[in-house]
Amino acid sequence: AQSVTQLDSHVSVSEGTPVLLRCNYSSSYSPSLFWYVQHPNKGLQLLLKYTSAATLVKGINGFEAEFKKSETSFHLTKPSAHMSDAAEYFCVVYGRLSGGGADGLTFGKGTHLIIQP
Amino acid sequence: EAGVTQSPTHLIKTRGQQATLRCSPISGHTSVYWYQQALGLGLQFLLWYDEGEERNRGNFPPRFSGRQFPNYSSELNVNALELEDSALYLCASSLVGSSEQYFGPGTRLTVT
Repeated sequence: AQSVTQLDSHVSVSEGTPVLLRCNYSSSYSPSLFWYVQHPNKGLQLLLKYTSAATLVKGINGFEAEFKKSETSFHLTKPSAHMSDAAEYFCVVYGRLSGGGADGLTFGKGTHLIIQP
Repeated sequence: EAGVTQSPTHLIKTRGQQATLRCSPISGHTSVYWYQQALGLGLQFLLWYDEGEERNRGNFPPRFSGRQFPNYSSELNVNALELEDSALYLCASSLVGSSEQYFGPGTRLTVT
């Protein structure tokens, strides 16, 4: 079964500075990886996805992520943070769920991004 | 194009009661997934329905059940509610065979 580890539970940056949210994955085969964002009391919105095409993936709202197989990482970045980026971010891997059976999404525990004015 | 919709937005029940949550997928999507997001426990996979059949379920007791209707909408039922069932329940949909899931806004269930 696959797993995903988000290395920081909280990240705080100043508005206008770069954002880096770190994610490592474990998968027995070439994974499909996603980043989702959840604003307070809202559902999840798909930011971007990696499905074995280009290793640098561009998403919405200026976010991008780079798939590094040698490091089993899929870190999310943005050059300049905006106040509206404050939210919870989830790194997600698609593959065989724990306990066997069908494939599905496995979520990291989330990183809370705080933007300081 | 309309996204995934869920109803109700909020639901308050007392311990021992039953709760019914509803989800309508994006048009053309046949797979519906249910997740529980409880405080401190993260997002946990509950159930997956496709073409009216239950395809997989997560590590939850049988009092969590559901069904999918011919129009692909879905219902999640939670029987004999317990305080720890209080959570945000998220529904997602996808095209058959796709790993890309689209989420609804959720139903906040509070058990008192």
